Amino acid sequence: GAVVSQHPSWVICKSGTSVKIECRSLDFQATTMFWYRQFPKQSLMLMATSNEGSKATYEQGVEKDKFLINHASLTLSTLTVTSAHPEDSSFYICSADGTGTLSSYNEQFFGPGTRLTVL
Amino acid sequence: GDSVTQMEGPVTLSEEAFLTINCTYTATGYPSLFWYVQYPGEGLQLLLKATKADDKGSNKGFEATYRKETTSFHLEKGSVQVSDSAVYFCALSPWTGTASKLTFGTGTRLQVTL
Repeated sequence: GAVVSQHPSWVICKSGTSVKIECRSLDFQATTMFWYRQFPKQSLMLMATSNEGSKATYEQGVEKDKFLINHASLTLSTLTVTSAHPEDSSFYICSADGTGTLSSYNEQFFGPGTRLTVL
Repeated sequence: GDSVTQMEGPVTLSEEAFLTINCTYTATGYPSLFWYVQYPGEGLQLLLKATKADDKGSNKGFEATYRKETTSFHLEKGSVQVSDSAVYFCALSPWTGTASKLTFGTGTRLQVTL
């Protein structure tokens, strides 16, 4: 089946530093990937839509300069949290559109998530 | 805009009890509907899906039927197990012909006890 990985699975950083999170589709190509943020005991909040070879589309209220997204290839999208602060601590989840898997049109496959803690 | 409403949890059941988690939606057009499950410390996994009215999605004993007349996609299982303890998310994706963002419900936590 379609597998999406994220790296790292957890990261702790100091306030003011930047953190990069990678999202990879391991056995299929994904022209579109999505980045979500999940707060404890809450639902997923879509942050942005990442399209290979073009700029990401951010949801209302999400700071583009703080959450940098790069979709450099059909199997890799990265989210960089710049100048992280404690309020950025959260669980970040990516997903990849499964249209490329033929049988999974309009279906998303999710990564396991990355837990970010900013001290 | 599109929205998904789920019953609030947590839902606590004894093993082998019948499970229903209600989900209703608001959307224009003909969305696809999904149930995702999130086990403790893990990412979301697709549990089942339905892409058109009257479709029934099923997996691992769970079922949900796409009811356009009542705009519902309720999740059911006849006999739950302790291993089913997780958070369940109902979601929809509008039909646009290309990848579309998912709209999630708030999630329902299920706790199954012996």
